[in-house]
This record gives sequence, structure tokens and C-alpha cells, in this order.
Amino acid sequence: KAGVTQTPRYLIKTRGQQVTLSCSPISGHRSVSWYQQTPGQGLQFLFEYFSETQRNKGNFPGRFSGRQFSNSRSEMNVSTLELGDSALYLCASSFGTGKGNEQFFGPGTRLTVL
Amino acid sequence: GENVEQHPSTLSVQEGDSAVIKCTYSDSASNYFPWYKQELGKRPQLIIDIRSNVGEKKDQRIAVTLNKTAKHFSLHITETQPEDSAVYFCAASELPGGYNKLIFGAGTRLAVHP
Repeated sequence: KAGVTQTPRYLIKTRGQQVTLSCSPISGHRSVSWYQQTPGQGLQFLFEYFSETQRNKGNFPGRFSGRQFSNSRSEMNVSTLELGDSALYLCASSFGTGKGNEQFFGPGTRLTVL
Repeated sequence: GENVEQHPSTLSVQEGDSAVIKCTYSDSASNYFPWYKQELGKRPQLIIDIRSNVGEKKDQRIAVTLNKTAKHFSLHITETQPEDSAVYFCAASELPGGYNKLIFGAGTRLAVHP
């Protein structure tokens, strides 16, 4: 079974720009969660989507948004980029139901904001 | 708010020794506790998890214990090998209410010396 994939793997943007990251979950998984990983703050939960609905949200500003499509693929968008948004963005997929909540991570997208 | 504290931040052991990493969580509603291993430049990989209805779970050289009263859970690695060297993260979440919102500890960098 193919694992979680993320595109692109690397991105370089400048302050003020916006960016869209994509995540394709494991086949059959309906839940996609997004995390930000930085050396200073560690792994922080951004939000989770299940069946095209945001089901849970972390403590990030409104510049961070996401969506999920009917095939469970998910995108996250960051608008008006700031230097502090430089991080590894990880998505994780799971069944999201009583069938199994184990989350499997993708390889991440490394975003650098200049 | 929800918080997971993890200790120690770094751990150095000789090959064949045991390693123990401890975590404390703040949210009494937490009932699912996974552990992830992240090697340099790679994605976090789930290595073991435990739910609050059990006190201990083992998988070969790895074991996790949970003390719900004290809100502590620990990872035990026996007979450590150089390939165990990585950063280990504990996490906590509330199922089903918290769905896939994982609150992570800050991580423990384990070095196993031959």
C-alpha cells in the first residue's frame, strides 16, 4: 500500500507571498491532519479534515487554512507569509474512526520564507 | 491548555543498555498515547501506542507503560542498538472527541554508541 505523499517537497518563498501545500493520504484513509515542525516549537497541530470537513483546529492564525477534497486529498494554504512560517509542514493520514486512529506521516514539505 | 512534557531532551547510552523516556500530560481526557521515532531528515514513524484501558504494552524490544492517576507514560527500549539513534516524540490525544489532534512532547534525542 502506498504511503502518504506530499508535494512539493521543498519551497522557497518571500515574505508576503502565499503558498499551497498538498497531501495525498493512504488509500482508504479519510482523515488528514497537518502539523508544523520547527526546532523551537517542535511539532504543533494545525488542523484536521475528515470527509471534507474541518473537524479540529489548533492555535494558529487565520492565515493558515486548509481544505479536503472528495478523494480525501488535502491542501493547506498559508497567506501573507512571515519569516516565522519557515518550517517543515507534515501531514498525517488515518482512518479517523473507530477502525483505527493511528496516524501515518508524509515526508513533509520544507518551506523557507526569505 | 493541553500540554505534554517530555524528559530527558537528550539521552546517550551504550549499545546494549536500556533507555527510558518519560512524558507527562495535562489533559485528563487524554486516552491515546502514541510514540514516534524520527530519524534525521525523515518523517516521524509510529513505533508503539497505548490506550488508557491498558497499563502496559510490549513489542519486541520496545515497551510503553501508562499511569493514568499520575498522568505519566514512558517508553522503554531494551538492548539498544545504534539504529535506535533518533529523536523520539511522545504524544497524547483524546479519542473520540479530540479525534486526530495529537499534542506532542518536545522530543528526546537518543544516541546509542557502539
